[in-house]
Amino acid sequence: DAGITQSPRHKVTETGTPVTLRCHQTENHRYMYWYRQDPGHGLRLIHYSYGVKDTDKGEVSDGYSVSRSKTEDFLLTLESATSSQTSVYFCAISALASGSHTGELFFGEGSRLTVL
Amino acid sequence: GENVEQHPSTLSVQEGDSAVIKCTYSDSASNYFPWYKQELGKRPQLIIDIRSNVGEKKDQRIAVTLNKTAKHFSLHITETQPEDSAVYFCAAHHSNDYKLSFGAGTTVTVRA
Repeated sequence: DAGITQSPRHKVTETGTPVTLRCHQTENHRYMYWYRQDPGHGLRLIHYSYGVKDTDKGEVSDGYSVSRSKTEDFLLTLESATSSQTSVYFCAISALASGSHTGELFFGEGSRLTVL
Repeated sequence: GENVEQHPSTLSVQEGDSAVIKCTYSDSASNYFPWYKQELGKRPQLIIDIRSNVGEKKDQRIAVTLNKTAKHFSLHITETQPEDSAVYFCAAHHSNDYKLSFGAGTTVTVRA
C-alpha cells in the first residue's frame, strides 16, 4: 500500500463544532484529494490540491475548507459540522506521469465521521 | 462538469457466471476511464483502466470496453469467484484537469 495515512479514523462530534481531518503521505506525490463516500452517491470530490498552497474546489465543497502547507499533509476542515456531513471521508494521492493529467489514485483507509 | 452514471446499483451472480457493469459519461473530452474495487470495510483500489485511444483492455478475468461515440464503457468479469464480491466504481477523467468523477457504485455479490 502507498504511504498514506488518515487521522482520526473515527470521530463522533456534535453539530456546530469544528472538525479537522488529516491526510499524511510519505510518497512525495504532488496531487492530493479529499472525497466523501455516501450510500447511493459513490465517491464525491470535496477539494483537491495540485501543490503546496494550491487547492481547488470539487463538486461538494460547501461547508468544507482545506489547507496544504507541506507536500506531505492535506487537511480537511469542517468549520461548523452538520448532520449532513456524517460520512466516510477518503483522502487520495496521485502521481501523474510527466505530460499526463491522469494517474492512479491511492486511497487512505478512510475516516468515519458522525455528527450528532 | 463531468457526470458519470453507473448501472446496475446491485448485481447478484452465481459463482462461475459473468458480471457486467455499465457506465456512461457526459463530457466527450474525457479521456481516461479507471475502475476501482472496494471490498467491505476497505479502501478503493484500482483494478483496471482504459484510455480513449483504446477500445478494449483485458487483464486475466476482467476486461473493460470503451465506446467513445456512445460515451459509455463497461467492466466485464468472467468466471466470477467469491472474492469478486465488492463494490465497483467506474470513473471518468477530463483531459484538462486533475480530478476524477466517479459513478455511484455497483455492489456485486457472488453466490456460491
